[in-house]
Amino acid sequence: DGGITQSPKYLFRKEGQNVTLSCEQNLNHDAMYWYRQDPGQGLRLIYYSQIVNDFQKGDIAEGYSVSREKKESFPLTVTSAQKNPTAFYLCASSRKQVQNYGYTFGSGTRLTVV
Amino acid sequence: QQPVQSPQAVILREGEDAVINCSSSKALYSVHWYRQKHGEAPVFLMILLKGGEQKGHEKISASFNEKKQQSSLYLTASQLSYSGTYFCGTEGDAGNMLTFGGGTRLMVKP
Repeated sequence: DGGITQSPKYLFRKEGQNVTLSCEQNLNHDAMYWYRQDPGQGLRLIYYSQIVNDFQKGDIAEGYSVSREKKESFPLTVTSAQKNPTAFYLCASSRKQVQNYGYTFGSGTRLTVV
Repeated sequence: QQPVQSPQAVILREGEDAVINCSSSKALYSVHWYRQKHGEAPVFLMILLKGGEQKGHEKISASFNEKKQQSSLYLTASQLSYSGTYFCGTEGDAGNMLTFGGGTRLMVKP
């Protein structure tokens, strides 16, 4: 079955450490997205990519980095510059015409700073 | 700019109806609705394109008023399984990314 896989499900980060969240999809979707969700809050866009080797910053990109070397993969690195990284991170993908098909979301990664 | 959802939370008894609203200050190309259970991924419900159409999905339907830049989600004869947080996601002119509202937390009690 096609889908979008995020790993790990839970991740703990020490102060000053970089961590990378994985997102893989086998839906042949062109576009991929990273959103951050804080408790009781909506989803805020971190980065998105509509084509391989190209990506754009979202509303809260500071302290995060991404790469899109393959169509199937869109990893997110949370750097030490992100001062408050504890949150639920959701990856999503879509076809080019998102207005017709919508998003497919992964099951999320919960990141906690220890 | 983030769309505004109202109400922020609602509690229902099984069989009651609810309306969730989503309002934007910008012109919209499409409005998407998702439901999220606690700790899980949001699940797609429906998409509405500009043109004022109304869509239905079993007992859940939605409308989109393009002129008012508003969308409403209607849940009729609610079931326990309807509990969760509902998000609207809005798309500007074919921008191909969604901006989500703050969510509406819905609890259905027996």
